[in-house]
Amino acid sequence: DSGVTQTPKHLITATGQRVTLRCSPRSGDLSVYWYQQSLDQGLQFLIHYYNGEERAKGNILERFSAQQFPDLHSELNLSSLELGDSALYFCASSPGQGENGYTFGSGTRLTVV
Amino acid sequence: AQKVTQAQTEISVVEKEDVTLDCVYETRDTTYYLFWYKQPPSGELVFLIRRNSFDEQNEISGRYSWNFQKSTSSFNFTITASQVVDSAVYFCALRGFYFNKFYFGSGTKLNVKP
Repeated sequence: DSGVTQTPKHLITATGQRVTLRCSPRSGDLSVYWYQQSLDQGLQFLIHYYNGEERAKGNILERFSAQQFPDLHSELNLSSLELGDSALYFCASSPGQGENGYTFGSGTRLTVV
Repeated sequence: AQKVTQAQTEISVVEKEDVTLDCVYETRDTTYYLFWYKQPPSGELVFLIRRNSFDEQNEISGRYSWNFQKSTSSFNFTITASQVVDSAVYFCALRGFYFNKFYFGSGTKLNVKP
């Protein structure tokens, strides 16, 4: 157990729907990162939050949004889902800004049908 | 620009063979950090090692060793006496100094056959 908790582990939903992925960082970690892993795109950085504030944005679609709450857990919201959004979504956390590496959660596998 | 290249898409070896996974990176930062992660079939990403750009010492941890060479912008990973449990996808990653995001290579899938 890495200490980073992601729920749900698996999610199957239909095109056009909206889903929320949840992440609880490792105790003491202030940074949360979201990554998308798909077969054709590899591991793509989506967004980084530090202590509730957005710090960096990657290739995150406008249909996607995220936030980090005061208790430091984070949610990634995916809306108007398309078949191409099917992927493994990872959350990672770190104490600071990631200089010493991330600790990853086990991921949420999203299947859009 | 920051970029990580793992040219080996897939490698198959027989148990007890040594295997080296290549990683070449590009960055304009003078300070940067390099990482290796392992993704076993179960899917989670497991941290293996971190190196900063000022530390070119090679590191050995059990059957694992890493060779960092700034002159060739490479950070290669060697598994000695491979085991079936080493079968996984291995990712090399780069974090620049100024931008707190990781650039991952495309990964190398290692198959270790008994």
